Amino acid sequence: QSALTQPASVSGSPGQSITISCTGSSSDVGVYNLVSWYQQHPGKAPKLMIYEDITRPSGVSNRFSGSKSGHTASLTISGLQAEDEADYYCCSYASTNTPFVFGTGTKVSVL
Amino acid sequence: QITLKESGPTLVKPTQTLTLTCTFSGFSLSTSGVAVGWIRQPPGKALEWLALIFWDDDKRYNPSLKSRLTITKDTSKNQVVLTMTNMDPVDTGTYHCAHTTTWAFGYWGQGTLVTVSS
Repeated sequence: QSALTQPASVSGSPGQSITISCTGSSSDVGVYNLVSWYQQHPGKAPKLMIYEDITRPSGVSNRFSGSKSGHTASLTISGLQAEDEADYYCCSYASTNTPFVFGTGTKVSVL
Repeated sequence: QITLKESGPTLVKPTQTLTLTCTFSGFSLSTSGVAVGWIRQPPGKALEWLALIFWDDDKRYNPSLKSRLTITKDTSKNQVVLTMTNMDPVDTGTYHCAHTTTWAFGYWGQGTLVTVSS
């Protein structure tokens, strides 16, 4: 099972919206509604931002939203803030034997 | 409040076996639907899922590492143990344990850095 493909970096100015893509295949992202997104600040543990493609856990800002089209999932951050600068990883259920496949990671920079 | 904490050696030699313990609180690994997983991250690189153990003792492993991994649980101690055999310098990284009930890891331990070097 190969890692999901994400852009290496995405940047935006404060207040803008950015979108991070996560491309999988018909074996993972395209089949199950089980994509999750994680935010990771340097030296910290990842934090769950979105699960089941579009659901925000309690306490996560509504500036973060998830979507999916075909084999590609996306995380959109609206009203970009300095604190959003971090690495972001997608993850998808892939099969009974491989329940988790992570993406390659995207570094978000706030200009 | 759910918390998890990893413990184990910070340095292992090549070919040795790594044993990591995840000690958790705030949930029971005997509750239906609960699972604990291990995820690692080499320095400056992406997350990689390693293994998962369910409340009913069902287990899943990353196919590329399956021959080297064993995951077990001790429900009475609220612990999950991961062993990885034949360690290599490329296995250097931070190892996290994490809790899941929704096919997403909602709670993570802080991670423990393991360096593989002679």
